[in-house]
Amino acid sequence: EPEVTQTPSHQVTQMGQEVILRCVPISNHLYFYWYRQILGQKVEFLVSFYNNEISEKSEIFDDQFSVERPDGSNFTLKIRSTKLEDSAMYFCASSQTGPVGSPLHFGNGTRLTVT
Amino acid sequence: SQQGEEDPQALSIQEGENATMNCSYKTSINNLQWYRQNSGRGLVHLILIRSNEREKHSGRLRVTLDTSKKSSSLLITASRAADTASYFCATALNQAGTALIFGKGTTLSVSS
Repeated sequence: EPEVTQTPSHQVTQMGQEVILRCVPISNHLYFYWYRQILGQKVEFLVSFYNNEISEKSEIFDDQFSVERPDGSNFTLKIRSTKLEDSAMYFCASSQTGPVGSPLHFGNGTRLTVT
Repeated sequence: SQQGEEDPQALSIQEGENATMNCSYKTSINNLQWYRQNSGRGLVHLILIRSNEREKHSGRLRVTLDTSKKSSSLLITASRAADTASYFCATALNQAGTALIFGKGTTLSVSS
């Protein structure tokens, strides 16, 4: 069964550094998402992306964050200048249609540790 | 906010027992979805129930939806140790459906 893949599985970075988290969504999916989960807490929505543009973003997704679909397969999340509080699991997801009509398929996440 | 809230936060049962988790949400929905998360892993979709449906089954899972009470329940029958996980309900952020918002989840522990 097709799956969403995320790399790396674990990223350690120093405060103030830029990080790029990578995702390969399921090939025939059109909608893409990033979520994050701080250890032991809820899964928080960051951003949704469709037709090469952001369709929705949360308050968490400030100017430090950006997303890109650089080619036909990858979907990336960039954090420009990491802070300690950015330490979390970051999950990428994709869906065939919008989330109202179809389920989201999640990757296994990237654990980001900011020191 | 469309956000669902699960209840209870944590549930511990023995293998073979049934587990019931509840979800409440605040505004009208097109559908409600349930997901499962094993520790340290991504979420896995379980069931999608539409607003015009009252009940849906998938194997040992039964989901009900009461739009008048703005609530849903997930029942896992004859639970197994492998059902140990966190379970989340999710609803669309808005009528445009541009994002899916998750509740805080119920952590289910099934002991053998």
